[in-house]
Amino acid sequence: GNSVTQMEGPVTLSEEAFLTINCTYTATGYPSLFWYVQYPGEGLQLLLKATKADDKGSNKGFEATYRKETTSFHLEKGSVQVSDSAVYFCALSDRPGTASKLTFGTGTRLQVTL
Amino acid sequence: EAGVTQFPSHSVIEKGQTVTLRCDPISGHDNLYWYRRVMGKEIKFLLHFVKESKQDESGMPNNRFLAERTGGTYSTLKVQPAELEDSGVYFCASSQDRGRMSGYTFGSGTRLTVV
Repeated sequence: GNSVTQMEGPVTLSEEAFLTINCTYTATGYPSLFWYVQYPGEGLQLLLKATKADDKGSNKGFEATYRKETTSFHLEKGSVQVSDSAVYFCALSDRPGTASKLTFGTGTRLQVTL
Repeated sequence: EAGVTQFPSHSVIEKGQTVTLRCDPISGHDNLYWYRRVMGKEIKFLLHFVKESKQDESGMPNNRFLAERTGGTYSTLKVQPAELEDSGVYFCASSQDRGRMSGYTFGSGTRLTVV
């Protein structure tokens, strides 16, 4: 079946540091890939997505590239801010081009300090 | 536009009791999903409604869980009787087009603690 593996957290960084959160996946076919973020006390929000190989999703300074050859979708940001502190979830869909029935990773907590 | 609303936000119940969680999706969203995150683990799919019909309930853990969506509007998820391992955060999400364009809109979740 489908699965998503994320790096263990928590990740603690100083403000303006470079962020990478690794995500690899196992899936049949050609899934769509997503990063969701959960800020404290809030629901999950879609951060970015990519629907086919070599697509790059980007939003709020975050980027992730759909790498089919390495089955990866690593999340990066060049300079994190305190406001980026949250839990980040990598996810895939089981149907191409949709978000139907998402399979999530375990989440990675990011804490950014001054 | 109002978002996806879930209530209660928190619930603490004793083992063996019954709890009902409610989700109000965005108006007009035919697709409604329930997910659950047990502490520290991945968020897992429970089921998917299209309007009032259960499209996929393959993630429902056992027959102690009952989900309904009468009239295709709000949905309820009842756990009866609750067990300790049911503790976690229950998320609801809705979408108009199975998330093709924008993914889901999630609610803030209901944190269920069974003691």
